[in-house]
Formats: sequence, structure tokens, C-alpha cells
Amino acid sequence: AQSVTQLDSQVPVFEEAPVELRCNYSSSVSVYLFWYVQYPNQGLQLLLKYLSGSTLVKGINGFEAEFNKSQTSFHLRKPSVHISDTAEYFCAVYKASYQLTFGKGTKLSVIP
Amino acid sequence: DTAVSQTPKYLVTQMGNDKSIKCEQNLGHDTMYWYKQDSKKFLKIMFSYNNKELIINETVPNRFSPKSPDKAHLNLHINSLELGDSAVYFCASSQEGQGYGYTFGSGTRLTVV
Repeated sequence: AQSVTQLDSQVPVFEEAPVELRCNYSSSVSVYLFWYVQYPNQGLQLLLKYLSGSTLVKGINGFEAEFNKSQTSFHLRKPSVHISDTAEYFCAVYKASYQLTFGKGTKLSVIP
Repeated sequence: DTAVSQTPKYLVTQMGNDKSIKCEQNLGHDTMYWYKQDSKKFLKIMFSYNNKELIINETVPNRFSPKSPDKAHLNLHINSLELGDSAVYFCASSQEGQGYGYTFGSGTRLTVV
């Protein structure tokens, strides 16, 4: 079975400060990992994904994530956040048979 | 040129009614999905169709019935609506072999009163 745990439900951070949103997964097989962002009243947008290869993955809007197999983690980072980064962030694991399983989300609030 | 479009965006209806939500994708993807997002933002897959064939049917009341007339469309029909059905429903699509990324629609906010 696969599951995704996002350790923080809410993360407040000051503008221009760095941020890390944590994600851990459990799986007995190789996984594909994703981060999605949901702005208020909108759908989900793909930020970045890890399929294979380099463990450091760069995405849109200056975000990056590092796949750590030994710690079964895929934490999302940004060195300097903007007000416009305020949103809900979802970590997800791709499971066989066409299923993407999501974590419960982390609400990032950027404080001016 | 919306890639995955859902209609309507908002739907307010009374308990007991039957309603449908439509979804269309113009990406040429072969798989489409319905997800439900509850008030706590938790996303749960409901159904998945691959080339018009049902692949995933999670534990969903049989009042919910998906229909896929072709691989570009996946509609969701809900019978006898209940208060607990209030949520945001997202349609998504993907193509195997293209990095497994899903493209989501903007959602349909269903409110049952």
C-alpha cells in the first residue's frame, strides 16, 4: 500500500524568507512523486515531479524538491517566497493502475 | 483553449435532486478521472476511465455514476443528492507515457441545501 504524509497542515512564513514543505511517503516499490499547488478557488497545477534520475528536481515558480529514498521523503523548498505563493500545496504519489494518491495538503501563508 | 474544462463551475441544489457535471479535455489524453475535495481540502479519487473503460471505482455510493461517451469526455451524474455530497469535484486527465502528470480542471463547487 502507498500513502503520503504531509507533516504540516499550515506553514506561515514571512515574505522573502525560505520555506520547506515536508512530505513523506510509504511504498514498497519504486514511486513517482509530485507536488501540486492549488491557488484559492482554482484547480490543481503541477509544480514539479520526480520520475527517475537526479534526485533534485526543479519546478515552476522557483520551487524545487529533493527525493530522498533512504528517508522516503520528497520535501518542497523555495529560497525566497512571495505573497503570490500563498496557496495550498499537495504532495502526491503515483500508484499503478492510473491512480494518483494525494497527501492532505499544506496551507502556505506568506506574511507581508 | 482550456485543456480540461468542467461545467458548471458552481452548482447549488436541493437534497433529493439529480444533477450532472460535465468534463471535457482537448489534450488527447487517454485517461480521465473524477476527484472529490472535501471541506478540509482532502482529495480523494472517485473514478478513473481509460479509453472509455472504467479502471478505478473507489468506495463511492452508487448514487454516483460516471459516463464516458468518448475518451475526451467524462461526465458525473449524481442521483438523490445528500447534504454530505457538498464538495468540490475535480476532473483530470493524463496520458500514459507522458510523465504521469495529471491536468486538472478548475473544479465544480457543489452545494446541497
